[in-house]
Amino acid sequence: DAGVIQSPRHEVTEMGQEVTLRCKPISGHDYLFWYRQTMMRGLELLIYFNNNVPIDDSGMPEDRFSAKMPNASFSTLKIQPSEPRDSAVYFCASSLALFPWRETNTGELFFGEGSRLTVL
Amino acid sequence: AQKITQTQPGMFVQEKEAVTLDCTYDTSDPSYGLFWYKQPSSGEMIFLIYQGSYDQQNATEGRYSLNFQKARKSANLVISASQLGDSAMYFCAMRERVFGNQFYFGTGTSLTVIP
Repeated sequence: DAGVIQSPRHEVTEMGQEVTLRCKPISGHDYLFWYRQTMMRGLELLIYFNNNVPIDDSGMPEDRFSAKMPNASFSTLKIQPSEPRDSAVYFCASSLALFPWRETNTGELFFGEGSRLTVL
Repeated sequence: AQKITQTQPGMFVQEKEAVTLDCTYDTSDPSYGLFWYKQPSSGEMIFLIYQGSYDQQNATEGRYSLNFQKARKSANLVISASQLGDSAMYFCAMRERVFGNQFYFGTGTSLTVIP
């Protein structure tokens, strides 16, 4: 089975340009998370969706960031305009809901390989 | 308050020795899961082990075990017989079911295995 697929893997752009990161979650997963990772701030949750609906976007830094999930198999994270401080690795992850009373874990997060963004 | 606290920014362990990475959590949700992930220098996030809040026994996966102490709200990761390939960043995470199935990660512990 294919895992979470992110594109592009690497993006180098100039300040002020629009950046779009893409994510295809694992089929059947109903949760999708976007994280940003930097040395200074660690792993930060930006936004997460349940059944394509944004549940918590309080981690989105500012209006320059927007995320959409038009259907169950695709999500985008857009930065417009980009700034050097946006340079980071952006991870997309998907999962099923957690049922901790079940013997089999269903709540694990499956991560994509990440998109490394460099804004010059 | 921090949902997940990892107090050891960096740890060193001799090859073939066991090491414990500390993790404490904070939740009022009775239904939650605890997870550990490994991030090697190549950058991918690798799931290691899971413990559900209703589990009576500590989880084990090969050389990994999770020391779950519910009353103390701790979920320490124990790696037995450390190998050089265990050198990586380790993240503890918690997922709350009732409060929106949100996922919380700690700040991570960098483990270095010394030959």
